[in-house]
Amino acid sequence: AQSVSQHNHHVILSEAASLELGCNYSYGGTVNLFWYVQYPGQHLQLLLKYFSGDPLVKGIKGFEAEFIKSKFSFNLRKPSVQWSDTAEYFCALISSGSARQLTFGSGTQLTVLP
Amino acid sequence: DAGVIQSPRHEVTEMGQEVTLRCKPISGHDYLFWYRQTMMRGLELLIYFNNNVPIDDSGMPEDRFSAKMPNASFSTLKIQPSEPRDSAVYFCASSPGFWGYTFGSGTRLTVV
Repeated sequence: AQSVSQHNHHVILSEAASLELGCNYSYGGTVNLFWYVQYPGQHLQLLLKYFSGDPLVKGIKGFEAEFIKSKFSFNLRKPSVQWSDTAEYFCALISSGSARQLTFGSGTQLTVLP
Repeated sequence: DAGVIQSPRHEVTEMGQEVTLRCKPISGHDYLFWYRQTMMRGLELLIYFNNNVPIDDSGMPEDRFSAKMPNASFSTLKIQPSEPRDSAVYFCASSPGFWGYTFGSGTRLTVV
């Protein structure tokens, strides 16, 4: 069975601070990894995705994530956060054994203070 | 493309009533998913379809929940009878393949 762990439940930062949200997964085979963002009261939107190739993936709004296979990690980063980045962030994966089923982590609530 | 369309956006109903949530996936997407989001459990996959056929409904909490996809452009999630613990945001998503899903705006269900 596959699983995704996000250990930071709530992160509070000031504007311009750097961000790193942790994501670890459990699955022994090939995975496709995603980060989604959910702004207050809205639906999930895709930030970035990793399928293969360069393990450093750049997404929208200045976000990037690095796939480290040896650590089963896919951490999300942004060098300088803005107040508008306040949202909940979900890491997710599709494994080679799960057809198209997207398994989500529990989410990390990011609050950016102005 | 209008994206994944869900209706209604909000639904308030009394305990015991039947509730029907609707979803129109993106044209050409072969997969359709129903998720439920609550504070306690996060995002849970309820059921998903491939080419209108239910593939995995192991996430459907009870027999009170049922989902159908009569054609490629429409799906329903029905709760009968509804209970207060069903209160949640229900998301529909569709996907053409491995490159991630597109989510609808969700239906916020409140059962009083």
